[in-house]
Amino acid sequence: EAGVTQSPTHLIKTRGQQATLRCSPISGHTSVYWYQQALGLGLQFLLWYDEGEERNRGNFPPRFSGRQFPNYSSELNVNALELEDSALYLCASSLAGTGAHNEQFFGPGTRLTVL
Amino acid sequence: KNQVEQSPQSLIILEGKNCTLQCNYTVSPFSNLRWYKQDTGRGPVSLTIMTFSENTKSNGRYTATLDADTKQSSLHITASQLSDSASYICVVSANTGGFKTIFGAGTRLFVKA
Repeated sequence: EAGVTQSPTHLIKTRGQQATLRCSPISGHTSVYWYQQALGLGLQFLLWYDEGEERNRGNFPPRFSGRQFPNYSSELNVNALELEDSALYLCASSLAGTGAHNEQFFGPGTRLTVL
Repeated sequence: KNQVEQSPQSLIILEGKNCTLQCNYTVSPFSNLRWYKQDTGRGPVSLTIMTFSENTKSNGRYTATLDADTKQSSLHITASQLSDSASYICVVSANTGGFKTIFGAGTRLFVKA
């Protein structure tokens, strides 16, 4: 069974540009979560999508947004990139239900570098 | 305030030795606690998951314990191997009916030959 996949593996952008990151969940999972992990720091929760709707978002500015498609895949968009947005962006998926109860399975991440 | 604190921040041990990582939390109401292993630049991989009624869970050389009364958990690694070098993250979820999952900052383990 395929795990969570993310693309691209690496992404290099310049300040002010927009970045789009993609995630495909494990088959059968309807919840998708996005996290930011800056170098040497812990995971910071960004967004949670379930059944196509945004269920919760972390303490990030509105230029971080995303969506979930009917096939449960998801994309994360970061507008007006800033240097501090450079990080590993991790996507996780879980079965339906409340995010607290279902184990999250993580993808390999997308390394975003903002120059 | 819901928090998950891990100690030590980093740890260096010799191959073959045992070690124990600590996790203290204040997340409430408690639902479950998970330990993840994260290799550098990769996504975390689940090691164990424990609910309120479980006080120990093993996965090979990894054994997690949970004391729900004191709100503490530990991850014990037996006979460490070089491949154990990674970050170990404690994750606690709350039973609020909504999303409340708190990640610890992790313990960075270095296993030396």
